[in-house]
Amino acid sequence: AQSVTQPDIHITVSEGASLELRCNYSYGATPYLFWYVQSPGQGLQLLLKYFSGDTLVQGIKGFEAEFKRSQSSFNLRKPSVHWSDAAEYFCAVGNSGGSNYKLTFGKGTLLTVNP
Amino acid sequence: DSGVTQTPKHLITATGQRVTLRCSPRSGDLSVYWYQQSLDQGLQFLIQYYNGEERAKGNILERFSAQQFPDLHSELNLSSLELGDSALYFCASSVGYNEQFFGPGTRLTVL
Repeated sequence: AQSVTQPDIHITVSEGASLELRCNYSYGATPYLFWYVQSPGQGLQLLLKYFSGDTLVQGIKGFEAEFKRSQSSFNLRKPSVHWSDAAEYFCAVGNSGGSNYKLTFGKGTLLTVNP
Repeated sequence: DSGVTQTPKHLITATGQRVTLRCSPRSGDLSVYWYQQSLDQGLQFLIQYYNGEERAKGNILERFSAQQFPDLHSELNLSSLELGDSALYFCASSVGYNEQFFGPGTRLTVL
C-alpha cells in the first residue's frame, strides 16, 4: 500500500530564510507526487506535481521540489520565505496506473514564519 | 478559486442525524473524489466517482454513501452521525489521472 511520511510536524523559519520541507513516500512503481498548501480555513491548493521526466519541478509561488527515486523522497524547497507562506503543507502520492486515482496524503507540516 | 464548489460551508447537527454534502466539479472534469480531514486521522480518501460510476473506495464507513449525478455533481450522504464524524469534508475533481483540484470544504460539527 502506498504511504507518505512528512517527518516534520512543525517548522519555524524567519522571513527571507530558505525552506526545505521533507517528504518520503512508499509506492511500488514510479509514483505521481504532489505538494499542496492549506491556509487556515481554506481548501487545498496545488503547488506543484511530478509525473515523469525532469526530476526538479517548478511550482507556483516560487516553490520547487526534487524527486529522488533512490531516496524515495520529494522534498519541497523555497529559497526565500515570505510571511504569506505560513500555512500547512501536504505531500501526496497518487496511483500511476489503473483507474483508481486516489491521493494518499502525509500528515502535513505546519510552517510558521517569524518576521 | 479552484472552480470546485461545495455546499454548505458549515453544518452543525446532532448525533443520529443524517446530512447531505454537495459538490460541483470543475467544468469538464469527470472524476469526483471525497476526502475527510480530521485532527487524528489527517486527510483520508473516502470514495471516487468517474462519470457517474463508482471507481474506488477508501476508508468510507458503511453509514456513508455517495453518488454522482448525470450533470456530474456529487453528493456525500452521512447518516447515523456520531461525534467522531465531525471533520472537514473535501471534494476534489480531476480530468483523468491529472492533478486534483479541491473545493473549499464543508465543516461538519456533530453535537
